[in-house]
Amino acid sequence: EIVLTQSPATLSLSPGERATLSCRASQNIITYLAWYQQKPGQAPRLLFYDTFSRAGDIPARFISSGSGTDFTLTISSLEPEDFAVYYCQQRITWPLTFGGGTKVEI
Amino acid sequence: EVQLLESGGALVQPGGSLTLSCAASGFTFTSSAMTWVRQAPGRGLEWVSTITDGGTTKYAESVKARFTISRDNSKSTLFLQLNTLRAEDTAVYFCAKVFHAWYFDLWGRGTLVTVSS
Repeated sequence: EIVLTQSPATLSLSPGERATLSCRASQNIITYLAWYQQKPGQAPRLLFYDTFSRAGDIPARFISSGSGTDFTLTISSLEPEDFAVYYCQQRITWPLTFGGGTKVEI
Repeated sequence: EVQLLESGGALVQPGGSLTLSCAASGFTFTSSAMTWVRQAPGRGLEWVSTITDGGTTKYAESVKARFTISRDNSKSTLFLQLNTLRAEDTAVYFCAKVFHAWYFDLWGRGTLVTVSS
């Protein structure tokens, strides 16, 4: 099973600041990684798939990068609606696995 | 409207059974793989099971032989049969549409399963 380790667990920032979230895979997953955003009481929302492909109407302030075992989600300038929990997920092999999440809080 | 609507969550005793349903609308269900993902209270996301449009199934090790995923294409409905339930199965269960093998681009709001005596 591929383990995805997200860090930090919590990121305390202010609106307008830059957020940098990390996701590290226990094996090479090439670029088969997605990022999701989840707000309290809501379902997750797909942000990026295959690392670089933006899903739906995802604002340009969200940037995803990485390959192999190290991946980064950057939010260049936090808006109030960006405070949420972010999860990474790999699809290269079964079982599909998620990271433990990073909470971006004010 | 494109949406998924789960139902069937309940309080059930350890060892009990339950069937969850997920009604799909607004997209071509018959050609979509579907998935169940769960989230224990205050915890992260955990993939549970996936069924392809052709009926091939995959399960997480933690639920294999206890849970069964199925679909009724005539009713655009996804199911998850949960047997021999344990306290650690307590979670919100989300159904989701598979996108680009194997990500999830459409989610329901979830249904809560609580396993407790």
